[in-house]
Amino acid sequence: GENVEQHPSTLSVQEGDSAVIKCTYSDSASNYFPWYKQELGKRPQLIIDIRSNVGEKKDQRIAVTLNKTAKHFSLHITETQPEDSAVYFCAVLMDSNYQLIWGAGTKLIIKP
Amino acid sequence: ETGVTQTPRHLVMGMTNKKSLKCEQHLGHNAMYWYKQSAKKPLELMFVYNFKEQTENNSVPSRFSPECPNSSHLFLHLHTLQPEDSALYLCASSQAANPDTEAFFGQGTRLTVV
Repeated sequence: GENVEQHPSTLSVQEGDSAVIKCTYSDSASNYFPWYKQELGKRPQLIIDIRSNVGEKKDQRIAVTLNKTAKHFSLHITETQPEDSAVYFCAVLMDSNYQLIWGAGTKLIIKP
Repeated sequence: ETGVTQTPRHLVMGMTNKKSLKCEQHLGHNAMYWYKQSAKKPLELMFVYNFKEQTENNSVPSRFSPECPNSSHLFLHLHTLQPEDSALYLCASSQAANPDTEAFFGQGTRLTVV
């Protein structure tokens, strides 16, 4: 089955700096890779996703890169702001049964 | 408001109690999910319903019993739980025919088993 590893588990960055979170997966047939953000006490929400036919996707300060050969994808947040503080989850969609397999999450702390 | 509502938001129950969690979505989705979220662990998929039919049961103990009477409502019946079952239980929905579409989550029920 699919195995998704997410690193780091906690990331603390200075406000204004960049943050990078990385996920690796095992099933090379997977083609859809979303990222969700969960603020304290709130529900997870989709912030960006990427499909295997592209290597990078950007949305303002957020970008995701995908390396299908190496089976890893990363979330990049530039010019971090206090409201970026949250837990971020990566996920991989299994091609066999369309189930999302989740990473363990990264707690991002933005220091003022 | 994402259109997925869970009740109650918080629940404290004894190990001999029976309780139910409720999830309701008005997004027109045809797939609904129960997840368990424990501290420092990945989101654990418990059950999946597509078009009201259960399609996945990821080795969940029988003390958790799901029910999906229609495509808008999902329940999780709980009985004789253990303290390690304490967690945040999240419901989600999506459009099953389009698998790489966004999963919308409810705000969750924070369950404490005493």
